[in-house]
Amino acid sequence: DVKVTQSSRYLVKRTGEKVFLECVQDMDHENMFWYRQDPGLGLRLIYFSYDVKMKEKGDIPEGYSVSREKKERFSLILESASTNQTSMYLCASSEQENTEAFFGQGTRLTVV
Amino acid sequence: GQNIDQPTEMTATEGAIVQINCTYQTSGFNGLFWYQQHAGEAPTFLSYNVLDGLEEKGRFSSFLSRSKGYSYLLLKELQMKDSASYLCAVRDDSDYKLSFGAGTTVTVRA
Repeated sequence: DVKVTQSSRYLVKRTGEKVFLECVQDMDHENMFWYRQDPGLGLRLIYFSYDVKMKEKGDIPEGYSVSREKKERFSLILESASTNQTSMYLCASSEQENTEAFFGQGTRLTVV
Repeated sequence: GQNIDQPTEMTATEGAIVQINCTYQTSGFNGLFWYQQHAGEAPTFLSYNVLDGLEEKGRFSSFLSRSKGYSYLLLKELQMKDSASYLCAVRDDSDYKLSFGAGTTVTVRA
């Protein structure tokens, strides 16, 4: 079975902190994605990557950055956490074409 | 970019059929996906369409018309466990970007 693992299920951070959300997949997938999910807004794409060291902005990249140093790992970084970044964060991975994306269990981040 | 629209909520009775529509406007198209998401859980894959027509998988079917930018997910013989959010997603053909609609919450009543 494909496994996408996010490092934390729940996280509480203070405003202004630097936050790292880690995601690891074990199926050698080229593509990896970070979304946030908020009530009424669905999944919004923050960043994605189609290869090691490659990254592309999604629809809402402001306030975030990413790192993909190894194929299996895609990290989301909140440079200076703010309360409006309180959300559920979902990581996903997929092969390059014609296959579905597999999701991690999500990290519920609360910024206080 | 992608603009993906689907209804916010639908309610149906156990044993009935429900059809969830999804319309999209995209700069490039390389497939449409449907996902199911139960409250508090991660989305799970249901179906994939890249060519026009109907794909059937047990009680679930998905249809695509690329010329109309339209898809639907058909859920037959509804069960209580089908109460969930259903997400329509479109993949771009130039950069593999996968974009989602806001999701349709389906409530199945006894």
